Parts: sequence; C-alpha cells; structure tokens
Amino acid sequence: AQRVTQPEKLLSVFKGAPVELKCNYSYSGSPELFWYVQYSRQRLQLLLRHISRESIKGFTADLNKGETSFHLKKPFAQEEDSAMYYCALQTGAQKLVFGQGTRLTINP
Amino acid sequence: GAVVSQHPSRVICKSGTSVKIECRSLDFQATTMFWYRQFPKQSLMLMATSNEGSKATYEQGVEKDKFLINHASLTLSTLTVTSAHPEDSSFYICSAGGRAGRYEQYFGPGTRLTVT
Repeated sequence: AQRVTQPEKLLSVFKGAPVELKCNYSYSGSPELFWYVQYSRQRLQLLLRHISRESIKGFTADLNKGETSFHLKKPFAQEEDSAMYYCALQTGAQKLVFGQGTRLTINP
Repeated sequence: GAVVSQHPSRVICKSGTSVKIECRSLDFQATTMFWYRQFPKQSLMLMATSNEGSKATYEQGVEKDKFLINHASLTLSTLTVTSAHPEDSSFYICSAGGRAGRYEQYFGPGTRLTVT
C-alpha cells in the first residue's frame, strides 16, 4: 500500500532552534518524495524534492530508504517558517499521496 | 510563472443542485490536472486525474457520476459536483502538472463548497 505518515500534527519550536519534521513512507516501487508547504492564507507550494538534493530556505531532507523516511530539517528556525508542511510521495502518472501534514509554529 | 487559478473561491448551494468549479493554468499548458478534496484539519485526498482530451481517472471510492470532470483544453479543467448534498461540503483543490521540463504540480488556491 502507498502511504505517507507524518506522526506530528503540531510542532512548536523557538526561533533559532533546530527543527525536524518527520515523514515516513510505504511504497513498493522506487520512491520519489517531496515536501510541500502552505503558508497562512496561501496556496500549497513545492518546498523541495529529494532527487534535487538542494537546500531551500535553509531546509534539507534526505531520503533514507532503509528507514523509509524523508525527514525535513533546518538547523536554525525562523519565524517565517511557521506554516503547514506536507510530505508527499509521487506514484505513477505524477499522482501524489500526501501525509496528514504538520503545523509548524516558530515561537519568538 | 506557473500560476493556477480556481473559480469560484467560495460557493454556497442548496441540496440537490449542481456546482461547477473551474481550474485554469494561466501561463502554461497543463497536460495533466488533478483534483483533490480536503476535509477540515485533514490532508489532501486525490479524487481524480484529468488528462486533456481524455476521460478522467478516478481514485477508488470516488463516484465518477457525482464528480464530473472535464479537461477540454490544455489550460482548463472543470469539476462539477452533481446533485450536491451537505456531505459534499469541503475544500476542493486542483493542481496542474505537465509543464514542459518541470516535474512539480502547481496548486490552485482552492474552492470552499458549502451545501445547505
């Protein structure tokens, strides 16, 4: 079965602290994983994709096939990082399976 | 670039009526569009995949006769909720993919449907 699990619905950290949003997946094929972000009153937008191995807004995510995880990390959180974060697994024909989402709040 | 619009942003209709939601890719041609449904405080659930010029592919459990999808052009897909009932009240989001050389989906702002 294709499934994405984000165990934390809510995550609150202080500004300047490290942040990690967890994501685990279940997929029999070769996974292609994404992190999407939704800022307040804005539409969903792509944050990063595992294949590109890039850092966007200071965020990185490493695909760990052994642990079937794709956790999102940032060493120093900023207030503007407060948003809803969705981990997504792309299956055939560009279809996306989304996790439940984690609402990240950065406290000043 | 890569903007997707949805119209209307909010709609209230009475039970038994039909509602049409439009999804447009404004500055690129989208060979594939996707329709999602999002319940309050829950994730996005894919309803169907729409390819230009062909019938939509519906996910398991989604009634194709209730949620009619038309993708008549490379920039427009429509979702019609037929004979709407209060349980169809939800947030409907479309996304567009297939932009040349790009892998990602571009999301619309969503449409809030309330059926009274």
